[in-house]
Amino acid sequence: DVKVTQSSRYLVKRTGEKVFLECVQDMDHENMFWYRQDPGLGLRLIYFSYDVKMKEKGDIPEGYSVSREKKERFSLILESASTNQTSMYLCASSTPTLAKNIQYFGAGTRLSVL
Amino acid sequence: QQQVKQSPQSLIVQKGGISIINCAYENTAFDYFPWYQQFPGKGPALLIAIRPDVSEKKEGRFTISFNKSAKQFSLHIMDSQPGDSATYFCAAIYSGAGSYQLTFGKGTKLSVIP
Repeated sequence: DVKVTQSSRYLVKRTGEKVFLECVQDMDHENMFWYRQDPGLGLRLIYFSYDVKMKEKGDIPEGYSVSREKKERFSLILESASTNQTSMYLCASSTPTLAKNIQYFGAGTRLSVL
Repeated sequence: QQQVKQSPQSLIVQKGGISIINCAYENTAFDYFPWYQQFPGKGPALLIAIRPDVSEKKEGRFTISFNKSAKQFSLHIMDSQPGDSATYFCAAIYSGAGSYQLTFGKGTKLSVIP
């Protein structure tokens, strides 16, 4: 089974703090993704990565950056957290060799910025 | 531009009834159509998926119906149970040489009442 692990289920941070959200997958997938999920807005893609040290902006990259130093790990960084970044953050991974690049998700990190 | 339109936004079904969720897409290049199920506090989990050359796929109580000419597909949950209460997302994937796109619908919150 594909396993995508997000390091924290819940995080509470202060405005202006630098926040790191970590994601690890154990299936040697090439592709990794970060989404945020908000009521009524569905899943919105923040950043994705096709390979180590490679990143592409998604639909809402502003206020975020990412790091992929190793194939299995994809980090989302909030350089200076703001209250409008309070959300559920979801990491996913996929591989083109499996079922049309279908994405497998982690359990999510619920971030509250106070 | 919303490329996958999902309806209804919410759905209440009596136990034992049929739940039907509809999605419509615009991009004819999409070539795989998964459905995800998400329980509160959890990440989305792949439920069932279909290729566009198949008109119907059934797995247990879950069936996808696909109408390529109308660019529509739907999820039917037969004999709906309270344990099916969750948010359901349809998605459409294009995965070609050097190109990849996955677009989600905005989700349907299903409540199955006893």
